Amino acid sequence: DSGVTQTPKHLITATGQRVTLRCSPRSGDLSVYWYQQSLDQGLQFLIQYYNGEERAKGNILERFSAQQFPDLHSELNLSSLELGDSALYFCASSVEVDLRGVTGELFFGEGSRLTVL
Amino acid sequence: GEDVEQSLFLSVREGDSSVINCTYTDSSSTYLYWYKQEPGAGLQLLTYIFSNMDMKQDQRLTVLLNKKDKHLSLRIADTQTGDSAIYFCAEGGSQGNLIFGKGTKLSVKP
Repeated sequence: DSGVTQTPKHLITATGQRVTLRCSPRSGDLSVYWYQQSLDQGLQFLIQYYNGEERAKGNILERFSAQQFPDLHSELNLSSLELGDSALYFCASSVEVDLRGVTGELFFGEGSRLTVL
Repeated sequence: GEDVEQSLFLSVREGDSSVINCTYTDSSSTYLYWYKQEPGAGLQLLTYIFSNMDMKQDQRLTVLLNKKDKHLSLRIADTQTGDSAIYFCAEGGSQGNLIFGKGTKLSVKP
């Protein structure tokens, strides 16, 4: 158990809909990362928050947005869903804000599997 | 741009050694990482190596780093069926996050 909790574990929805994925980081971790895992693209970095502020942005579509709340949990909102958005969405947390110069251990949740029909 | 590449599949027999290779682009990354993903689970840090090191050994795991060629490898000695998983190579990205390869699926046959 990594200590990172993601809900829901599975979600099936239709094209054009909107969903919200939720993540509770490990106790004490201020950084939250969202990654998308698909068969063809691998593990793609979407966005990072640190203590409530957006820290870094990766390949996140404009239809997607995220936020981190004062209690440090984070939500990833996916709207106008398309078939290609079907993927496993991972949340990860870490103590550090910048993983370049430190032993960057990310603690991953078990993921939310989104299926868009 | 930042990119990490690794082969997608590797199949070995139980008891053999497995070698998973990776190439990366950002030479300024201080640490390089290997993560493991078991079926139905998130990724877990397996080991990491400081960029000033050539080799790191941790029980059955040996990490080799060739900084000149930007090549990283993970050797698993005496591979067991429990080692079957997807192994991800990662480097520190310019924005402070981790950049992952697509993962190498290791299959261990009894």
